[in-house]
Amino acid sequence: NAGVMQNPRHLVRRRGQEARLRCSPMKGHSHVYWYRQLPEEGLKFMVYLQKENIIDESGMPKERFSAEFPKEGPSILRIQQVVRGDSAAYFCASSPPGQGRNYGYTFGSGTRLTVV
Amino acid sequence: AQSVSQHNHHVILSEAASLELGCNYSYGGTVNLFWYVQYPGQHLQLLLKYFSGDPLVKGIKGFEAEFIKSKFSFNLRKPSVQWSDTAEYFCAVNGHHGSSNTGKLIFGQGTTLQVKP
Repeated sequence: NAGVMQNPRHLVRRRGQEARLRCSPMKGHSHVYWYRQLPEEGLKFMVYLQKENIIDESGMPKERFSAEFPKEGPSILRIQQVVRGDSAAYFCASSPPGQGRNYGYTFGSGTRLTVV
Repeated sequence: AQSVSQHNHHVILSEAASLELGCNYSYGGTVNLFWYVQYPGQHLQLLLKYFSGDPLVKGIKGFEAEFIKSKFSFNLRKPSVQWSDTAEYFCAVNGHHGSSNTGKLIFGQGTTLQVKP
């Protein structure tokens, strides 16, 4: 049973470009969470999605950031017009449906975004 | 608002020393508590979790943690560390009100543990 798959592992973008980060949840998991880890800081919640629904986006910056989890395919975190401050590690986690989300979830290996 | 504080940012120990990493949270309601470990270059792995019942929980690799509700604390312990325990450790809290729980975690800043052989 494959774990949570994130790609790419490393992504370099120039200022002003777009970054697309992908997350494929574990088999049978229908909940996806995105977290951002800035240098020297802990992980900060960004968004919680279920298939085709954004449930909680209270941690998402108001501009340039968006997330989706379509019926088919991986969850995508999209950052438009990246700036240097977006450089961070972005982690995705998934959990099973129902109360399973309360029991701790499985994290992916992360995507390290570097904006130059 | 929920918050988590890890007091030790960087801890250096020799092998076989005992470990205790502090974690305090602020939230007045029901909490689920977690400790995660992140080895260099790897993803976060769950060490242990507390939901209810016995406040002393045992996790993988000889780690344990004690939930002290009156102190809003969930400190991580290990009696004898090994070089392979060198990693970053994160305390996390999921505060909720029953069925409205979204599973969102609030993380502490992390503690870097360096174990010298």
